[in-house]
Amino acid sequence: EAQVTQNPRYLITVTGKKLTVTCSQNMNHEYMSWYRQDPGLGLRQIYYSMNVEATDKGDVPEGYKVSRKEKRNFPLILESPSPNQTSLYFCASSSNAGINQPQHFGDGTRLSIL
Amino acid sequence: AQSVTQLGSHVSVSEGALVLLRCNYSSSVPPYLFWYVQYPNQGLQLLLKYTSAATLVKGINGFEAEFKKSETSFHLTKPSAHMSDAAEYFCAVSEDGTSYGKLTFGQGTILTVHP
Repeated sequence: EAQVTQNPRYLITVTGKKLTVTCSQNMNHEYMSWYRQDPGLGLRQIYYSMNVEATDKGDVPEGYKVSRKEKRNFPLILESPSPNQTSLYFCASSSNAGINQPQHFGDGTRLSIL
Repeated sequence: AQSVTQLGSHVSVSEGALVLLRCNYSSSVPPYLFWYVQYPNQGLQLLLKYTSAATLVKGINGFEAEFKKSETSFHLTKPSAHMSDAAEYFCAVSEDGTSYGKLTFGQGTILTVHP
């Protein structure tokens, strides 16, 4: 089954304690991205990756890091989390093999930073 | 930069009534437009997409949307609402003229369906 898997689904942690949210896709997709969802703001892109070792900033990259060492994985790293990063996070992937390829989303990770 | 405006953060309809969720966009390139649905505690599921083919796009679960360039709109409709349609709906436009790249989302519309 084609899917995008995020872990953990829920996390409560404290300010300053480094955390990583993993994202893995099994569709051999080139393009992957991270979004955060906040009430009234929709989803905003944090970082994206066009392929292995190719990442770039989205609209709200401050306080986040990413890496793309393997095609299937695209972890989101919060080096020193702060309360304003409390949000619902989604990973997405898509293929750039055809111009009409839609994005597939994971089920989300709800982070609470105390 | 592209932008998306969804009119109405909450829409409430009766079961069996017409569903109309409004979306207006701005885009400097021919747009790719999408509607996604999010059920509680789940990720986003693609309902339908417009990629410059037919202006009336049919999606899953009986939904359809019409691309109107003159009005820069891409409103989502369903003739008869079902209780299972209750969810949050997001309109999105492709930032870079492809369907696989960065998406700019609207604020979302929560659809409530009353018995």
